[in-house]
Amino acid sequence: EVQLVESGGGLVQPGGSLRLSCVASGFTFSSYWMSWVRQGPGKGLEWVASINQDGSEKYHVDSVKRRFTISRDNAKNSLFLQMNSLRAEDTAVYYCATRGTAYWYFDFWGRGTLVSVSS
Amino acid sequence: QPVLTQPPSTSASPGESARLTCTLPSDINVASYNIYWYQQKPGSPPRYLLYYYSDSDKGQGSGVPSRFSGSKDASANAGILLISGLQSEDEADYYCMIWPSAQGVFGGGTKLTVL
Repeated sequence: EVQLVESGGGLVQPGGSLRLSCVASGFTFSSYWMSWVRQGPGKGLEWVASINQDGSEKYHVDSVKRRFTISRDNAKNSLFLQMNSLRAEDTAVYYCATRGTAYWYFDFWGRGTLVSVSS
Repeated sequence: QPVLTQPPSTSASPGESARLTCTLPSDINVASYNIYWYQQKPGSPPRYLLYYYSDSDKGQGSGVPSRFSGSKDASANAGILLISGLQSEDEADYYCMIWPSAQGVFGGGTKLTVL
């Protein structure tokens, strides 16, 4: 059974940092593109970042560039999102998800971790 | 990044069909893109439903009933999610998505109420 379990969320002040983690099991993690998708309170989905299988390709939504960095550790079946200079508008549930290679859909999702940015 | 426009809400009765639209901006031709659709129920992560490029290039998510289907309306420059034989369990938020580049874009979502 595929499982994705996010952690690392919490309450942080504006300008602060957090590092999200996602531990994967039930599939060959190193064979998949991985992504982060977020959802603000009462809002829609927003793609945040994606990383390829060996970590050599990384893409981020413009609103988080130079503040957030996606990374992975295939030896530990783990995906990360380093979030710096956090803003109130970054408040959201952050989901990690697998992404297909031939077709770029998110087929498996974690249950998400909540990040709240507030003073 | 482009904006995909979805009606905020729609409703239909059990047994009827619901047609959800996802309109692309005029500078992006719907014919050139896979349209991906997701369903999200309260308190749960999204669920992948299907993708549609053309009648000969489409795919259903694992376990997704054939009542869910995709299409395009070229004249409206829109992707379409059609849900036939509506059931109460279909009440949810539905999101479309495209990848105009290596950056993905979701639509704002449509809340479907099954009356």
